[in-house]
Amino acid sequence: DGGITQSPKYLFRKEGQNVTLSCEQNLNHDAMYWYRQDPGQGLRLIYYSQIVNDFQKGDIAEGYSVSREKKESFPLTVTSAQKNPTAFYLCASSISALVGNTGELFFGEGSRLTVL
Amino acid sequence: KNEVEQSPQNLTAQEGEFITINCSYSVGISALHWLQQHPGGGIVSLFMLSSGKKKHGRLIATINIQEKHSSLHITASHPRDSAVYICAVIQGAQKLVFGQGTRLTINP
Repeated sequence: DGGITQSPKYLFRKEGQNVTLSCEQNLNHDAMYWYRQDPGQGLRLIYYSQIVNDFQKGDIAEGYSVSREKKESFPLTVTSAQKNPTAFYLCASSISALVGNTGELFFGEGSRLTVL
Repeated sequence: KNEVEQSPQNLTAQEGEFITINCSYSVGISALHWLQQHPGGGIVSLFMLSSGKKKHGRLIATINIQEKHSSLHITASHPRDSAVYICAVIQGAQKLVFGQGTRLTINP
C-alpha cells in the first residue's frame, strides 16, 4: 500500500546529541514537508522540499537540517543547536508543492522525540 | 491573534449527536484543509475545499470565502469519531497555516 513511513515512532536523546528522523514515501510525490507539533499549538513548518536535491527553510528551521538525495526520502536531523527539541514531528508529502487546489496532503504517523 | 482560529478547543458529546467544529481565518487563502489526528498521532486528510460544500459519508465540510469561515459537521456521531480535528489554510502559493485543533470526544 502507498503511504508515508516515519521512524522511529519514539526516540530519546541526551542533550548535545544529534538525532535523525526518517521519512520515506512510496507515493511518487515531489513535495515533502517536516512539521513540528507542540501541545496547544498548530503544526509549524520546519523544512520543505519541492524536488529532489532542493529544500527550503520553513518558519522554524534553526537547529534542524534536512537532505533530499532521493525522491522517496526526506530525513530530518535534530541537531544539538536546537534549544527545545522535545516535540512530536510529522512528515508529509503532496503530489506537488501546494499551489491552489492541487495540494492534497498525506501524513506519516509521526515521531515523538524526548530529550532527557 | 492566530491567523487560523478554531472553536471550540474541546468538545464532548454523546453518541448520535450532530457535531459542528468551526474555523475562522484572517488571511487570504486559495484553499482549506480539514485534517483528523488520531490518538496515536497520525494525521489523515478529510477534505480540501476552496468553495461551497463537500460531503463524505457522515462528514460535511463547508466554506464561505467572503466570511473567511469554514465548518466541519459530523452527523450521527460515534465514539470512533473521537480525535483532534485540524483546520489548515493554504496561503499564497504554498504556505500552509494550521489551527490549534479541536479535541472531540464522543461518549457511548
